[in-house]
Amino acid sequence: ETGVTQSPTHLIKTRGQQVTLRCSSQSGHNTVSWYQQALGQGPQFIFQYYREEENGRGNFPPRFSGLQFPNYSSELNVNALELDDSALYLCASSSGPGTGGRTEAFFGQGTRLTVV
Amino acid sequence: DAKTTQPTSMDCAEGRAANLPCNHSTISGNEYVYWYRQIHSQGPQYIIHGLKNNETNEMASLIITEDRKSSTLILPHATLRDTAVYYCIVRVAGSNSGYALNFGKGTSLLVTP
Repeated sequence: ETGVTQSPTHLIKTRGQQVTLRCSSQSGHNTVSWYQQALGQGPQFIFQYYREEENGRGNFPPRFSGLQFPNYSSELNVNALELDDSALYLCASSSGPGTGGRTEAFFGQGTRLTVV
Repeated sequence: DAKTTQPTSMDCAEGRAANLPCNHSTISGNEYVYWYRQIHSQGPQYIIHGLKNNETNEMASLIITEDRKSSTLILPHATLRDTAVYYCIVRVAGSNSGYALNFGKGTSLLVTP
């Protein structure tokens, strides 16, 4: 148990729809990162939120967006879903980018998104 | 962040030590070596990290060569529950550009009875 919870655990959406995934960070952590993991691949960094602002982004299009709330929980929104968006979406919390090299990130169990 | 190279897969007998190598020949002086593992259908789990000294915790030991170009994760007494994909990652310490972890493909470790 890492204290990072994600919801829902599974989701099926139709191509072109929009989806919102949610993450509650571990107590005391103010930074949330999101990752996409396609089948058979390692997780790919989408973006990170620190103090309610995006603080780093991977190679993902603008239709992937997010929010962080004052309690440090976070949402990942994906618009205009494509079949290739089918993946496990992982949320990780940590204690701030300034200490990133010396601290670990704790991951949730992920949300399995299937786009049909 | 420096790139890492790991074997695609490894086997280990239960009760034996599992030694997982990682090459990071382009590592910079301010980059840490991190190890995570991912058991099937679960989120990645932090194992250990280090800068230049060897490190040990309740899960594993991390041996970093003196030139820091490679490292080895050691699971001293592997169990069936250690079957997982193990990721070696290097990352700059104290970066303000985000906590991006470059997972790569990792090593799939199979622990057999």
